[in-house]
Amino acid sequence: DQQVKQNSPSLSVQEGRISILNCDYTNSMFDYFLWYKKYPAEGPTFLISISSIKDKNEDGRFTVFLNKSAKHLSLHIVPSQPGDSAVYFCAARYGGATNKLIFGTGTLLAVQP
Amino acid sequence: DAMVIQNPRYQVTQFGKPVTLSCSQTLNHNVMYWYQQKSSQAPKLLFHYYDKDFNNEADTPDNFQSRRPNTSFCFLDIRSPGLGDAAMYLCATSIRGLTSNQPQHFGDGTRLSIL
Repeated sequence: DQQVKQNSPSLSVQEGRISILNCDYTNSMFDYFLWYKKYPAEGPTFLISISSIKDKNEDGRFTVFLNKSAKHLSLHIVPSQPGDSAVYFCAARYGGATNKLIFGTGTLLAVQP
Repeated sequence: DAMVIQNPRYQVTQFGKPVTLSCSQTLNHNVMYWYQQKSSQAPKLLFHYYDKDFNNEADTPDNFQSRRPNTSFCFLDIRSPGLGDAAMYLCATSIRGLTSNQPQHFGDGTRLSIL
């Protein structure tokens, strides 16, 4: 049973437009959510995070929104750039102090020039 | 630059032949994790070390073992690899603590193939 779901395997966006990647979760005990970006042949790199007590966190072109009542979070990238083309993983922390994460299956973002 | 390094990047082994994957870190983080990721699937946590304390996930097969001889190094041993163990293996590190909202830092992974 997947506790973190990314229902869109892929997304294609034009350069300069907004990219919106979505993630749903089932466990209300998750206390911290993260987005990772992964290029081919590289490991995931941390992008942005949000605590469960907040509803928005912004870092430059990247904003993460958290809707706890809907158990939904989204990553907005504005404006999208070709270098943003990668697989994006949503992750939720369930281990508290141990910092253990459950990952979604990822969304492949393609930003077209 | 401080980082997480995995060796080798690609490993081929024979069915049933033991194999060891290695991970080293220069971040001085107290927690190290091993994940298995199969094609188009989410990375799945196998186990983690908090300092020298080993923590196995409930559904990790007995075939998978790990060693952490010191803060910097962690090894993944697969005692008798089966075809189903072919995957990308990712090592990650982080700092433990409830007040520490620190992300995990990943290596570039080892792609394991089984012949």
